[in-house]
Amino acid sequence: QVQLQESGPGLVKPSGTLSLTCAVSGGSISSSNWWSWVRQPPGKGLEWIGEIYHSGSTNYNPSLKSRVTISVDKSKNQFSLKLSSVTAADTAVYYCARDLESESYYYYMDVWGKGTTVTVSS
Amino acid sequence: EIVLTQSPATLSLSPGERATLSCRASQSVSSYLAWYQQKPGQAPRLLIYDASNRATGIPARFSGSGSGTDFTLTISSLEPEDFAVYYCQQRRTFGQGTKVEIK
Repeated sequence: QVQLQESGPGLVKPSGTLSLTCAVSGGSISSSNWWSWVRQPPGKGLEWIGEIYHSGSTNYNPSLKSRVTISVDKSKNQFSLKLSSVTAADTAVYYCARDLESESYYYYMDVWGKGTTVTVSS
Repeated sequence: EIVLTQSPATLSLSPGERATLSCRASQSVSSYLAWYQQKPGQAPRLLIYDASNRATGIPARFSGSGSGTDFTLTISSLEPEDFAVYYCQQRRTFGQGTKVEIK
């Protein structure tokens, strides 16, 4: 059973770079799935940040694209998120998730990490 | 860019009642729509995918329907553990959520 675990600093200074890692256990990151990052500001809804395939192909939310980099490390079975030039608006719970291909050849987030809270503050 | 609009924002019901949640897409998404449940302090959980297929382990009281632009999540008889926030999702877009609260 695949499990995901986010890790990284819980506090980042304004204008700094947020860096998180998602460790994949119970399965291979090289399987035929996309791997996503999603965030949720306090008291608000879900926002998709971006996704990566094990080949390294990525897609990003256009509203964050200039600041986001998602990478994969197959040797460590993990993928990572970097978000630069952060402000208080980037304070949120950050989730990683697996996008599983359904019978209709579409993708849905069927496994999620527990989430990690990142606060942007000086 | 597809926009998903959920209604109502809040649904106040009693245990045992039927819950009907709506999600409307700004353009046709065929049947490529999912529903998630999120409880306080927890990650979202996939309930329904491809508009009407229950995910693994999801009870039969949860059902999804619709295609094109109009979708519905129905909980046939609310259990105490069903009071939560529900989101619809189309690939990279989430709706704003519907909170199902105890009346």
